[in-house]
Amino acid sequence: TQLLEQSPQFLSIQEGENLTVYCNSSSVFSSLQWYRQEPGEGPVLLVTVVTGGEVKKLKRLTFQFGDARKDSSLHITAAQPGDTGLYLCAGVFGGSNYKLTFGKGTLLTVNP
Amino acid sequence: KAGVTQTPRYLIKTRGQQVTLSCSPISGHRSVSWYQQTPGQGLQFLFEYFSETQRNKGNFPGRFSGRQFSNSRSEMNVSTLELGDSALYLCASGAGTAYNEQFFGPGTRLTVL
Repeated sequence: TQLLEQSPQFLSIQEGENLTVYCNSSSVFSSLQWYRQEPGEGPVLLVTVVTGGEVKKLKRLTFQFGDARKDSSLHITAAQPGDTGLYLCAGVFGGSNYKLTFGKGTLLTVNP
Repeated sequence: KAGVTQTPRYLIKTRGQQVTLSCSPISGHRSVSWYQQTPGQGLQFLFEYFSETQRNKGNFPGRFSGRQFSNSRSEMNVSTLELGDSALYLCASGAGTAYNEQFFGPGTRLTVL
C-alpha cells in the first residue's frame, strides 16, 4: 500500500506570516497534485507537478516537487485569512493504473 | 462549463437502509471517482469508473457499489447502512489522463442514525 504523509496535521498562524506544509512518500510519484478544501465544499485543484525539481508559483503559493519525486512542499507567503482551509496532496504512483492516492491533509487556520 | 453536481446534498437514513447517490460530471469528462471523507480517516478512495467500466477500486466492503452510465453520469449505492457510514461522499470527474486531475462536486452529507 502506497501512503502519503502530510505534515503538520494542523497549523494556526497570524495573518502576514509565512508557512510551509509537506507531503512525503516512500514511493516515487508519476505526478502529484495539491488541492484546497474549504468547509462545506469539495476540494479544488491548485496545481499539478510532474518533473522532479519542478517549482510552480500561483500568486503567493509556491509548490515544489522533490528531485527524486518522492516529496513535495507548499509554501505560502504572507498568509491571509482567505488561505484558511484543508490542504491536500495527492499522487499518482507508477503502475497504479492512474489511481490517485490522497494524504490526510493539513488544516490551516490564518487568524486576522 | 458547468461543474460537477451531486444529488442529494444532504441525506439522513437509519441503520439497515440503503442509499443511492448521484453524480453528474463535467461535460466531456469520462472518468468519475467516488471518495468518502471523515474527520478521522480523511479522504478515502472508493472506486473510479472510466467509460462505464470500473478502472480502480478502493478497500471498502461489497456494500459499497457504483456504476456509470453511457452519458458518464454515475451513481453510488450503499446497502445495509451502518453508523460508521456517516460521512461526506464526494464525487470527482476527470478527463482520465495519466495525471488523473480531479474536479470535485460539493459532496453529499450522509448521516446514519
